Amino acid sequence: AQSVTQLDSHVSVSEGTPVLLRCNYSSSYSPSLFWYVQHPNKGLQLLLKYTSAATLVKGINGFEAEFKKSETSFHLTKPSAHMSDAAEYFCVESGAGSYQLTFGKGTKLSVIP
Amino acid sequence: GAGVSQSPSNKVTEKGKDVELRCDPISGHTALYWYRQSLGQGLEFLIYFQGNSAPDKSGLPSDRFSAERTGGSVSTLTIQRTQQEDSAVYLCASSLLPGNQPQHFGDGTRLSIL
Repeated sequence: AQSVTQLDSHVSVSEGTPVLLRCNYSSSYSPSLFWYVQHPNKGLQLLLKYTSAATLVKGINGFEAEFKKSETSFHLTKPSAHMSDAAEYFCVESGAGSYQLTFGKGTKLSVIP
Repeated sequence: GAGVSQSPSNKVTEKGKDVELRCDPISGHTALYWYRQSLGQGLEFLIYFQGNSAPDKSGLPSDRFSAERTGGSVSTLTIQRTQQEDSAVYLCASSLLPGNQPQHFGDGTRLSIL
């Protein structure tokens, strides 16, 4: 069974400093991977997706993620945090040709002014 | 354009009552999904509809839960004889096609069982 591990349940950064949210996936083949963001009382919004075209994926709002097969990782980064980035972030995996998503437990990002 | 729409946004009901949650997917999206998000459990898959095919109900937690999708568009999730453990946020998502297409989520229905 697939599993997605988000290594930090909570990350706190100062405004203007870099953001790193860590994610490891379990699939032995190349999966489809996504990062979603959820603001309070809102649904999940897609930040970016990896589908094997390029290992460095750029998303919305300045976020990007790098697929590293050797490390089975798909960490999310942003060079400079903004107050509006405070939210919960989910790393998500979809198996080959599968509609079923496997969600990580989520990482809550706090941004300190 | 319009996103996935869910109603009601909040629902408070007494234990034992039935509830209906509605999802209106993005126009043209053939695939529709229901998830439950609760503290300590994260996001759980409930059910999946694709076109006119039989739905995948493998995630429904009990026979008190059922869902239908009429005319390949709007979906209703029904919970009968609600229990306190049913309290959660119920999220609906749709995608243009099944498979590894990104799913687009609604804002959810926050269900509270008293």
